Amino acid sequence: DTGVSQDPRHKITKRGQNVTFRCDPISEHNRLYWYRQTLGQGPEFLTYFQNEAQLEKSRLLSDRFSAERPKGSFSTLEIQRTEQGDSAMYLCASSEAGVTGELFFGEGSRLTVL
Amino acid sequence: DQQVKQNSPSLSVQEGRISILNCDYTNSMFDYFLWYKKYPAEGPTFLISISSIKDKNEDGRFTVFLNKSAKHLSLHIVPSQPGDSAVYFCAAITEGSNYKLTFGKGTLLTVNP
Repeated sequence: DTGVSQDPRHKITKRGQNVTFRCDPISEHNRLYWYRQTLGQGPEFLTYFQNEAQLEKSRLLSDRFSAERPKGSFSTLEIQRTEQGDSAMYLCASSEAGVTGELFFGEGSRLTVL
Repeated sequence: DQQVKQNSPSLSVQEGRISILNCDYTNSMFDYFLWYKKYPAEGPTFLISISSIKDKNEDGRFTVFLNKSAKHLSLHIVPSQPGDSAVYFCAAITEGSNYKLTFGKGTLLTVNP
């Protein structure tokens, strides 16, 4: 399978703990995005990488959130000191340069904060 | 402020009939629009798109219509099939926004056999 893969698919944690999600994009895609989706809502943009450079961050991304994409390949999204409001599906997507808007999404990582 | 609105949370149609999903937007700077389909436990998948310089784009059973003056777009599926049952998201892009998508809340389409 050469699609976007995310790990873990589901994470249950206690409030205050740190969690990290990993995304492996389609290998030839240089753009990588993180989105968050809560129940009854559409995906909301969190952050964008072009190769290894993080070019944009949403104001939704508080200081407790950090994302990296070392070497322009896989990406990680870390949430520190989780809160119950962080419970959501975290979606990673990748795309090719020059293709408008056609993002390839992974299956998502569902976070439940107790 | 919801810039992309899908006011119908759900839609139910009979197999073989037309499904029409609607989307309204408020940001006049949007210049590219897309529809994504999402099955349970899967990520959204790209379906069809349209540039703001066009008013129609067709791909097989799927056609997207854009009415810029009304800030409205719609997705037509003809004929509808049970496998089309999914959540459909309308999304929009502003030029120069790093291709960042702004999504609506989605419409759950159910196609009954």
